[in-house]
Amino acid sequence: EAQVTQNPRYLITVTGKKLTVTCSQNMNHEYMSWYRQDPGLGLRQIYYSMNVEVTDKGDVPEGYKVSRKEKRNFPLILESPSPNQTSLYFCASSWSGTLAEKLFFGSGTQLSVL
Amino acid sequence: DQQVKQNSPSLSVQEGRISILNCDYTNSMFDYFLWYKKYPAEGPTFLISISSIKDKNEDGRFTVFLNKSAKHLSLHIVPSQPGDSAVYFCAASERSGGSNYKLTFGKGTLLTVNP
Repeated sequence: EAQVTQNPRYLITVTGKKLTVTCSQNMNHEYMSWYRQDPGLGLRQIYYSMNVEVTDKGDVPEGYKVSRKEKRNFPLILESPSPNQTSLYFCASSWSGTLAEKLFFGSGTQLSVL
Repeated sequence: DQQVKQNSPSLSVQEGRISILNCDYTNSMFDYFLWYKKYPAEGPTFLISISSIKDKNEDGRFTVFLNKSAKHLSLHIVPSQPGDSAVYFCAASERSGGSNYKLTFGKGTLLTVNP
């Protein structure tokens, strides 16, 4: 089954403790992206990747890192999480990230930073 | 500055009636518009899209209308079903440099279809 898999689904952590949210897709998509969803703010892009070893900042990249060492994986790294990073996170992918392509989303990771 | 606006946070309709979800945008460089549907505890899923060179696109019960001069698009669901109850996101795409494209989402509208 074609899918985008995120782990974990739920995560509670404390300020400053490094964490990684994993994302994997099995569709051989070139484009991958991370979004966060906050009440009243909709979906905002954090980082995206057009292909292996090619990443770029989205609208809200501060406090996040990503890497794209292989095509299927695009982990989101929070080196020193803070409470304002408490949010619902979605990973998404598409064939090439072009104009009309639809995104395939993972099921989300609910992160709480205490 | 919010470039994609969904001014109605919520909408409630009766089963069998029409649901109309609205979206306004300010950036004239947007070339493509997409609607995504999101159920609780799931990721958004693609619903329907429209190119800026068209004014209507239809897929079953779902129709998207684009009024480019007014920078306005709407999603019509006819007839509405309880299973359509979800958050609907409007999104707009533009070329952001080279071969990169940027997708901007609205805040979403929660649709509730009452039996």
